[in-house]
Amino acid sequence: DSGVTQTPKHLITATGQRVTLRCSPRSGDLSVYWYQQSLDQGLQFLIQYYNGEERAKGNILERFSAQQFPDLHSELNLSSLELGDSALYFCASSVGQGNWYEQYFGPGTRLTVT
Amino acid sequence: AQKVTQAQTEISVVEKEDVTLDCVYETRDTTYYLFWYKQPPSGELVFLIRRNSFDEQNEISGRYSWNFQKSTSSFNFTITASQVVDSAVYFCALSHDSNYQLIWGAGTKLIIKP
Repeated sequence: DSGVTQTPKHLITATGQRVTLRCSPRSGDLSVYWYQQSLDQGLQFLIQYYNGEERAKGNILERFSAQQFPDLHSELNLSSLELGDSALYFCASSVGQGNWYEQYFGPGTRLTVT
Repeated sequence: AQKVTQAQTEISVVEKEDVTLDCVYETRDTTYYLFWYKQPPSGELVFLIRRNSFDEQNEISGRYSWNFQKSTSSFNFTITASQVVDSAVYFCALSHDSNYQLIWGAGTKLIIKP
C-alpha cells in the first residue's frame, strides 16, 4: 500500500458527461501528479501540483482540469467526455516538487465512457 | 530530444531463469534521473529504484539488480532467479532538473511461467 488513495475505483459514464476523480496524497507529500494510462497511448503525464499551485502541465486536454486543495488532496475534473477518454487515471504523490523525487502511485480510477 | 526506449514489448521466461529488461534513454542534460517502476496485474505502479546521472554504481537489491552505463545511455534491470510474482509490466522513466515531467518508456511486459 503506497499510502495514496484514489476514489472512486471504477466509474462508468456516458459521452458528454462530467466526472470528478479524487486523490489524497501520502501523509507529508506536497506534490500531486495526475496520469492517464490507455492501451494505445501508454502512460501520459497530465499535470502536477505542488502545495496548491500548478507546477507542470503535460498532455492535458482543455476539457480536463485539476486543482489541489489546502488539505493537499486533489481533484481531476473531466468534462464533455468522449469514448477515447476511457482509461486508467492514476494519481501519484511525492514529498517535493522536483522530479527527482520518487513518486508513489495510487491504485487508479478506471473510467469507462459508453 | 528526451526519450526513453524499452524495445522489448514482452518477455516470457520460465521461473528461475534470469531475465534482463533493457532501457535506453536520450538526453542532452548532464544532470538527470532514471527510474524503474513495476506495474503488477493489480494495476498499481510501484517505485523500484532511482539513479542520478552522477552515480554510475550498479545497484543490487535481493534478486534485482540495475546496470547504469552512461557510455551506452542504458539503465538495464536484471531479475535473477525469476519468480511468478515478478510477472508485471516494468517501466523505465527519465527526468531532468529543467523539466518537471517524467518521460516514460512504453513498458516491458514480463511473463514468468511456472
